[in-house]
Order: sequence, then C-alpha cells, then structure tokens
Amino acid sequence: GAVVSQHPSWVICKSGTSVKIECRSLDFQATTMFWYRQFPKQSLMLMATSNEGSKATYEQGVEKDKFLINHASLTLSTLTVTSAHPEDSSFYICSASVGTNEKLFFGSGTQLSVL
Amino acid sequence: KQEVTQIPAALSVPEGENLVLNCSFTDSAIYNLQWFRQDPGKGLTSLLLIQSSQREQTSGRLNASLDKSSGRSTLYIAASQPGDSATYLCAVRGGATNKLIFGTGTLLAVQP
Repeated sequence: GAVVSQHPSWVICKSGTSVKIECRSLDFQATTMFWYRQFPKQSLMLMATSNEGSKATYEQGVEKDKFLINHASLTLSTLTVTSAHPEDSSFYICSASVGTNEKLFFGSGTQLSVL
Repeated sequence: KQEVTQIPAALSVPEGENLVLNCSFTDSAIYNLQWFRQDPGKGLTSLLLIQSSQREQTSGRLNASLDKSSGRSTLYIAASQPGDSATYLCAVRGGATNKLIFGTGTLLAVQP
C-alpha cells in the first residue's frame, strides 16, 4: 500500500516556541492531505484539509494563525504549531489519499509535548 | 454535520471468541467507510475499506459490512487473539468537502 511518512515522531519543546511537523507521501502524489489531532483516550479530530498549491481549509474552532499549514508540493505538507503552549500538547497525525474516494493512508503520528 | 458513533466504547473478551463492533453515522451520503486499528501511541493501520456501493469486505479473520441507508456498519472479528487488542476506529468519508470523519472508537482487549 501507499506510504505516508511523518516526522518527527515525537517532540518536546518549551512554551512559546514553534514546531514544524512534516508529512510526505513517499510513493504517490497527494493533492489533498488531512491533519488530525488526538487527545489521550479520544478519537481523531480533523483540524484542516490541506490542498496542494492553495490555502488550507480549517475546521471550526481551529486557529489558522496558530496552526500554519503549507502544501507546497504534491508529496509534502507541513503543519507548524506557532507559539506552542502546554494545551497544544497532543498527538498530531496526517493522512493522504491517492484519489478522491480512495483509501486514506496515515502517517505514524507526532507526539507533541509542550513544557 | 456528520456524526459517527461506535458501540461499545470498550470490550473485553477471552481469546478465541468471535466479536462484533458497531459503527453508526448520521448522514448516509457517504463515499466510503473505513475501519482502522490503532495501537497505543501509534498511528493508524487501515483494515478494510467499503465503498458506498458495496455491502461488505473481508480480509482474513475480519469482515466489515455496510448498510448505508440505515447508517450502520459492523466489524466482525473471528477467533479473536490477544494480538487483536487495540482501539478500533471507523471513519466515513463523504459530503461536499470529502472529509474523513472518525468515530469515537472501541477499545478491545482480548484476554489470553
């Protein structure tokens, strides 16, 4: 199956710093990627839909200025958590699909801990 | 707004037992439904994908069914094993934005 690579796997940072998470589709081109976050013992909540070459579409309640998404190429999308605070600590995971109605493949996730 | 619910929230069974996980969704206008497995602290593993025109999909000991009109899907696991212990998530994709919306998850524990 298709492979989605996500880095880093985990990151610890100080409050106020920015953290960038990368999501790459290794063997296919993804015009659309999705970013999710997951709090402990909860399900995945969609944060935003990332479209190659255009602005991301954010879900209600997600601050677009805090969670910057860039999808500059068909194989790479990045999520930058700006001025991170402890409440941003969470598991972030990206996904991509080959086509519109095809199976979604997920990265391995990034555990962010903000001190 | 699409809402996806999974029942039960948690399930503990002895090894060898057959079991059924349930998923229901409020908006039947979906493209497909996907079942995933998530191990603690890890990403997602796709188990089965059912397109809206399909009724079921099978992979090994797993069988997923879809009744789109009633907004329900089930994941049947035969002869459960301790290695099946994980959280199982269903997700539906559809609507104008083609988003994948996840259910609340079922935490499965298979006792040896």
